[in-house]
Amino acid sequence: DQQVKQNSPSLSVQEGRISILNCDYTNSMFDYFLWYKKYPAEGPTFLISISSIKDKNEDGRFTVFLNKSAKHLSLHIVPSQPGDSAVYFCAAKEYGNKLVFGAGTILRVKS
Amino acid sequence: EAQVTQNPRYLITVTGKKLTVTCSQNMNHEYMSWYRQDPGLGLRQIYYSMNVEVTDKGDVPEGYKVSRKEKRNFPLILESPSPNQTSLYFCASSFGGAKNIQYFGAGTRLSVL
Repeated sequence: DQQVKQNSPSLSVQEGRISILNCDYTNSMFDYFLWYKKYPAEGPTFLISISSIKDKNEDGRFTVFLNKSAKHLSLHIVPSQPGDSAVYFCAAKEYGNKLVFGAGTILRVKS
Repeated sequence: EAQVTQNPRYLITVTGKKLTVTCSQNMNHEYMSWYRQDPGLGLRQIYYSMNVEVTDKGDVPEGYKVSRKEKRNFPLILESPSPNQTSLYFCASSFGGAKNIQYFGAGTRLSVL
C-alpha cells in the first residue's frame, strides 16, 4: 500500500502560468516532506522541503503548501518556465532517516 | 565537486550472472541508500546503511545484497539476477538529520534477459 501518492501522472501548463503538483499521504507520523526534481538521464535533485509543523515554505518561484488535516501537500511553481519540465517526486520522511517516495508527476511546460 | 558516482550507467546481462553496481560518494556522508525506480511505483528503497558495517533492508530487498566496508562506497550486488530486476537503480547519500536531504547518483539502467 503506497503511503505517498501522486495521483496525476502528468501535467501540462503554458509558460508563465502556475504549475500545481499534488501529493497525498496516509501516515500521520511523517515529520518532513520533500520535493525532488528529475531530468532524463540524471538522478533526482532536491528542490524544496517543509516540516510537518509548518503550512507553507517558499523558495523563489517554488512554494510548498501542507494541509495536515487533509494529509495533502502541493508544490506551486510560479511562473512556470520550459526548464521546469521534468519529473517531480514527492517524498515523506519517517522517524529516522527513511524517505518514502511517490510515483512522480511529469510536468511539461509549453513555450 | 560533491557527487555520488554510480557505475556502470547501463548494463545488459542474462539471468543468473552475478553483477555488482558500484556507488561512491565524496561528501563524507554517513547515510547511503539504494533505490529502484519502476513506472507507476516511484522510487522504492532496496537497502540502506547508517554507517560503516551497518546495513539494513528497505522495502524491496529480495534478490539484492549490499556491503559497507568503507564510508564512501556502497556497492549493490545481484548474485543471481532475474528479469523482474530489470529497472533503473539509484544510489543516494546524505548526512541524515531532520530532513535527510539525499543526493542521488545519475542512475544505472539494468536489463536482465
